[in-house]
Amino acid sequence: GIQVEQSPPDLILQEGANSTLRCNFSDSVNNLQWFHQNPWGQLINLFYIPSGTKQNGRLSATTVATERYSLLYISSSQTTDSGVYFCAVGGSGSRLTFGEGTQLTVNP
Amino acid sequence: DAGVIQSPRHEVTEMGQEVTLRCKPISGHDYLFWYRQTMMRGLELLIYFNNNVPIDDSGMPEDRFSAKMPNASFSTLKIQPSEPRDSAVYFCASSSFGLIGELFFGEGSRLTVL
Repeated sequence: GIQVEQSPPDLILQEGANSTLRCNFSDSVNNLQWFHQNPWGQLINLFYIPSGTKQNGRLSATTVATERYSLLYISSSQTTDSGVYFCAVGGSGSRLTFGEGTQLTVNP
Repeated sequence: DAGVIQSPRHEVTEMGQEVTLRCKPISGHDYLFWYRQTMMRGLELLIYFNNNVPIDDSGMPEDRFSAKMPNASFSTLKIQPSEPRDSAVYFCASSSFGLIGELFFGEGSRLTVL
């Protein structure tokens, strides 16, 4: 199956800083999603982005499918951005595979 | 839409007891997924349904686990008998485009088996 690797595993920021999270995958995909798991355990959709670039407020994501990676950008981070960010990818006819996540802590 | 609805949010039970977790998918979504999340194994897909029919149950850990979807708006995941190693957060998710579609998760059911 597809291998998914996220980096960095942990990230600590001061409020207001910017950050980039990376997701590498081992094969071509037709599904790629970014999720945020907040400290209460809820899994929240951020982006459905098998290719291209999308933006939603302070967050944006880019997937370069031909080079097998996706990036999640967080600008002007806030304490409410804390939590775990998961990348999940799926190939043709295959289930989504989740990465191990990036644990983000934003300090006030 | 109300989103994916799961119940109970928390369940504490004793080893050997039967546990039933419930899920209502987003209206109009014809794919429903059950996931389990643990610290050791991360998020694992247990089973998924399309139009109420189980398509892939290869992730179900053992015969103690069973899942049903009697209609388009309701699914159950049952563990009988429960064991302490079943303690985890169980998520239900739904999608309108199957494996390539955007997945929406419920808030999860946190199970503790003593």
